Amino acid sequence: DIQMTQSPSSLSASVGDRVTITCQASQDIGNYLNWYQQKPGKAPQLLIYGTSNLEAGVPSRFSGSGSVTDFTFTISTLQPEDIATYYCQQYHTLPYTFGQGTKLEIK
Amino acid sequence: QITLKESGPTLVRPTQTLTLTCTFSASSLNINEVDAGWIRQPPGKALEWLALIYWDGNERYSPSLKTRLTITKDTSKNQVVLSMTNMDTVDTATYYCVHKRRKLGAFDIWGQGTMVTVSS
Repeated sequence: DIQMTQSPSSLSASVGDRVTITCQASQDIGNYLNWYQQKPGKAPQLLIYGTSNLEAGVPSRFSGSGSVTDFTFTISTLQPEDIATYYCQQYHTLPYTFGQGTKLEIK
Repeated sequence: QITLKESGPTLVRPTQTLTLTCTFSASSLNINEVDAGWIRQPPGKALEWLALIYWDGNERYSPSLKTRLTITKDTSKNQVVLSMTNMDTVDTATYYCVHKRRKLGAFDIWGQGTMVTVSS
């Protein structure tokens, strides 16, 4: 299985900050990477697919980049409603695998 | 707009078989045109992909759980069903039904999830 490692596991930031989360794959996954947001008690929501494509209806402050094994998820200007846990997921090879999650809190 | 709703038991005993049903709702939806699957999340832990059934009926399973899982679809009811045998306490989790976008490994629609507790 392809292992996905997110960093950091938790993050505290202030409203208006730029926030960056990284995701590293244990092998080359090209650009076959998605990002999800999960708010407490809710199902995850797809934010970005194919590394950098914003899902319809998702605010433009969210973005993604990277390739091969190293990927980055960025919130350009943190908003209070962005408090959530974020997961990366590879779909290069079955079984699909997720990172362990990054819990984002407001400072 | 597709919506998904999971149903099934909230409590199962160890060694029992869990059966979860996901009902797809949408106008003019034909479940033979969608890829669907299941993902679970133990309390406080990360997401784990379990199984997929493609529009053409092909099935794929997590290798670590393959011997215990069966995914099927009932086209007459627009439902996808997951069965998991020999349940254990470590299988306690919220189980999500998901819609996978065709030709893309992105889960773009999720059910609300159903919490299953395994306990004697």
